[in-house]
Parts: sequence; structure tokens; C-alpha cells
Amino acid sequence: EPEVTQTPSHQVTQMGQEVILRCVPISNHLYFYWYRQILGQKVEFLVSFYNNEISEKSEIFDDQFSVERPDGSNFTLKIRSTKLEDSAMYFCASKDVGGTGQPQHFGDGTRLSIL
Amino acid sequence: GQNIDQPTEMTATEGAIVQINCTYQTSGFNGLFWYQQHAGEAPTFLSYNVLDGLEEKGRFSSFLSRSKGYSYLLLKELQMKDSASYLCAVKDSNYQLIWGAGTKLIIKP
Repeated sequence: EPEVTQTPSHQVTQMGQEVILRCVPISNHLYFYWYRQILGQKVEFLVSFYNNEISEKSEIFDDQFSVERPDGSNFTLKIRSTKLEDSAMYFCASKDVGGTGQPQHFGDGTRLSIL
Repeated sequence: GQNIDQPTEMTATEGAIVQINCTYQTSGFNGLFWYQQHAGEAPTFLSYNVLDGLEEKGRFSSFLSRSKGYSYLLLKELQMKDSASYLCAVKDSNYQLIWGAGTKLIIKP
């Protein structure tokens, strides 16, 4: 079964540095998402992406964050000037076209640890 | 504001039945999803409800009442591997998924 893949599985970075989290969505999917889950807390929506542009973003997704689809397969999340509170699990998800009932398929996540 | 409430934790016995409730107040409603999340892993899709009533899928069923802002996930014939967190998520008027904090289900032999 096709799946969403994310790399790296764990990223450790010094505070203030930039990180890029990478995702390869399911190949025929057209909607892409990034979520964050701080340890022990709820999943939080960051951004959705469709047709090569951001379609929705949350209050969390400020100027520190950006997304890109540099080629036909990768979808990246860049976090600039990382802060301690950016430490979390970051999930990428993708969704096929169809009605509102189409589920989002999640990758296994990247655990980001800011030191 | 938008709010989704679920019990924090539930315990059940292997082979039994458990019902996990979810109530929501959101700006608009375009469907409700249930996801399963094992510790340290990604959420995986279980069910979707957009109309009132019960959706059955094997050992799992999900119910929705839009007028009450209420859903439940029913798990039958519980197995040890069902120990996980169960996340309720509502798609709001912007088609954005709003997530509950999840219910941690502990299955005892």
C-alpha cells in the first residue's frame, strides 16, 4: 500500500538554527499538510497546500515557517531560527481528490528536538 | 472558539466492548473523523461520518449526531493491539481538521 514517507525520523538542532523537514506524499495525491504534535498534547494543524500554493494556515504558521514543493515528489517544511518550543513531532499528510470524506494519510513523523 | 472534548483515558478488558465519546463545537461542520494513534507513531484513519447515524467497519463503529454535536467510536471484541490513543477530528467550515486531544485506551488482559 502506498504511504507517506518523512525524513529524517529524528532531527536534533541547536536553537537558532534552521531545519528542513522532508516529506514524500503518496504519488497521486494533490493535497498536502503539515501538523505538529508536542509531546503529550493534541495534533495541531500548521498548513495545507494545493496546486502549488498554501490554501490554509494556522496562527502557529508564522513567518518562521515556510513550505515548498521543489519538485514533483517532495514537500518540505522549513523552520527558521528554531526555538526550544519548536520541539515536537511534525507530521506530513496527503490526501487524494474526492469528497470531504477522503481521509488524510499521515507519515511516521519527524521528531524535532531543539537544544 | 473551536473545541473538541474527549475523555483523557479509558481502561477496558480484552474481549470486551468500549465506547469513546467525542463532543464538538466548531465553526461549521464538514464531517468527523476518528483516527488511531499508537505511541510514537502516526495517526491512522479509522472512520468518517458526515450524516447522522452509525457507520460500521468490522470491529469498529462510529456514530454521529450533528444536532447534539456528538460522536462516539465503538470498539468490539477488544484486542491487546487496540491499546492506543483515539483521536476525534472535525472538519470545519474552512475544511480544516480540528483535533481533539485524544483518548488513551488501555486494554487489560
